[in-house]
Amino acid sequence: EPEVTQTPSHQVTQMGQEVILRCVPISNHLYFYWYRQILGQKVEFLVSFYNNEISEKSEIFDDQFSVERPDGSNFTLKIRSTKLEDSAMYFCASRNRGLLNYEQYFGPGTRLTVT
Amino acid sequence: AQRVTQPEKLLSVFKGAPVELKCNYSYSGSPELFWYVQYSRQRLQLLLRHISRESIKGFTADLNKGETSFHLKKPFAQEEDSAMYYCAPTGTASKLTFGTGTRLQVTL
Repeated sequence: EPEVTQTPSHQVTQMGQEVILRCVPISNHLYFYWYRQILGQKVEFLVSFYNNEISEKSEIFDDQFSVERPDGSNFTLKIRSTKLEDSAMYFCASRNRGLLNYEQYFGPGTRLTVT
Repeated sequence: AQRVTQPEKLLSVFKGAPVELKCNYSYSGSPELFWYVQYSRQRLQLLLRHISRESIKGFTADLNKGETSFHLKKPFAQEEDSAMYYCAPTGTASKLTFGTGTRLQVTL
């Protein structure tokens, strides 16, 4: 069964550095998402992406964040200048087309630690 | 504002006992409701959705629009049900709004 994959599984970076988190969604999916979960808190929506553009973003997704689908398979989340409070698990998800097909398939997550 | 409330952080039950994981939501429009589950060291995965009215692994969930609730139930808990459970509505914008989650712990 196809799965969403994410790399790396764990990323440690220093405050102020740029990080890129990578995701490979399921191949025939058209909608892509990033969520994050700070330790001990709930999973929060960051951004959704469809047809090569952002379709919705949350308040968390400020100018420090960007997403890209550089080729036909990867979907990346970039944080330009990381802060301590960006430390979290970041989950990528994808889903297929269809108004009645809202099921999102999640990747295993990338744990980002900002020191 | 969209909001999901899962009042119990931890629910501990004995094997064979009934389980009810509560979820109340406040959401504009007519959301579709999901329960997602995360077993230890595994990814988030869909457990069930209200629109299909199905039973998965013995779990069912009934949408009560009057009470804006979508509680998850199982008549007899099994050890393998131990996991984190998240209630998550979504609308046409398709983002999921997660509750804080309930950890279900099934003990012998």
